[in-house]
This record gives sequence, structure tokens and C-alpha cells, in this order.
Amino acid sequence: NAGVTQTPKFRVLKTGQSMTLLCAQDMNHEYMYWYRQDPGMGLRLIHYSVGEGTTAKGEVPDGYNVSRLKKQNFLLGLESAAPSQTSVYFCASSLQGSRYNEQFFGPGTRLTVL
Amino acid sequence: AQSVTQLDSHVSVSEGTPVLLRCNYSSSYSPSLFWYVQHPNKGLQLLLKYTSAATLVKGINGFEAEFKKSETSFHLTKPSAHMSDAAEYFCVVNAKTSYDKVIFGPGTSLSVIP
Repeated sequence: NAGVTQTPKFRVLKTGQSMTLLCAQDMNHEYMYWYRQDPGMGLRLIHYSVGEGTTAKGEVPDGYNVSRLKKQNFLLGLESAAPSQTSVYFCASSLQGSRYNEQFFGPGTRLTVL
Repeated sequence: AQSVTQLDSHVSVSEGTPVLLRCNYSSSYSPSLFWYVQHPNKGLQLLLKYTSAATLVKGINGFEAEFKKSETSFHLTKPSAHMSDAAEYFCVVNAKTSYDKVIFGPGTSLSVIP
């Protein structure tokens, strides 16, 4: 099992450009999450999904969109990148909700917006 | 409202000495609590979790944590630090049944001196 994988690992964008981050999991998990990690702030939830075809907003959703067309994939899109979106992005998945269940994390995508 | 406080942003110990990473939480509900570890340039990995069973929880790599409701604490300990323990540690609380209420602490960076 590969677990949770993220593509790409690194990316540099110019302000206003768009991009999509791909997350894939092979554990048949229902729940998937996108977080951003900034220094001194821990991880903050951007969007999440409780199953194929569903998405919902987390703590910091502005400027991002997501889609979950297939159970194993969760895409994070930036339509018009801004320097404030420079961050490390982590995808995670869990079998069910996060109250009792461990989240499994991908290795992260480091995004720089110039 | 929920919140997580990690009292030390950085802890430095000598190899072979005990480790104590402190976490306090605030929650109106009976919480689930987690400790995750993040090694440099890696994703997060679960160390241990408390979900209302035994208050002393044992995790991987010799770590353990004790849930103390009266002190609203969930401190992480290890009797003897190893060089490989150098990493960032996150305390996480989930005090609702909904999956979007996971709150990450800001993290504690652990350094281990040879």
C-alpha cells in the first residue's frame, strides 16, 4: 500500500496563476481532508469530504476549491493564486470521522506564490 | 469553544534523558485527544490517542500520555530520548462528533542533543 500520496511535491506559481493539487489514497477511506501548515500555527483545515461526491468547507476555505469525483482522489484547486497562499499543503484520510479515527497524512506539497 | 495550547514552542533534551511535551486543551465536551509527530519534510504520523478509555495511553516508540481531566492536560512523555525523536510534535483535540472540529496545537519542536 502506498497510503496517501500527493502530487506535486513542490511548485512555484506567480500571482494570479492557477493550479490543482492531487491527493490519492489506496486505503478505501471514506473521509479525506486538505490542510495547510504555516509556521507557528499548526495545521488548519481548508476543505474536507465525507465520501465520494461530497465536499465541505473547513476553517480556511477562501481562495480554494475541491472536488472528489472518485473515492480515492481529492483535488485541491487554486483559481487565482495569491502570496498569502504560500504554504505547505497536506492531504489526509481517515476510515471514518476524525473523532476517534486516526488520520493518515501524505508527505505534503510545498507551494510558493511569488 | 475548543482550543489547544502547547506550552513550549521548543524543547531541548540530552540523549537518554526524559522527554516532557506539554499540552492543555479547552473543550465543552468530552474530548478525544491525539499526539502526532512530524519529522523534517515528512507528513504527520500518529503517536497515540485517547478516546475515553484508559487515561494512560501508550503509543509507538516508547511514548505515552496521560489524560487528566481535572487539569485539562494531555502531556506527552518518554523515559529516555533518542536522537531519532527529534521532530515536531502536535497535540490535537476533537471534542465534537463532527469531523470538521479537529483542532491542532501550534506544535512543539523537540531537539535531542548527543
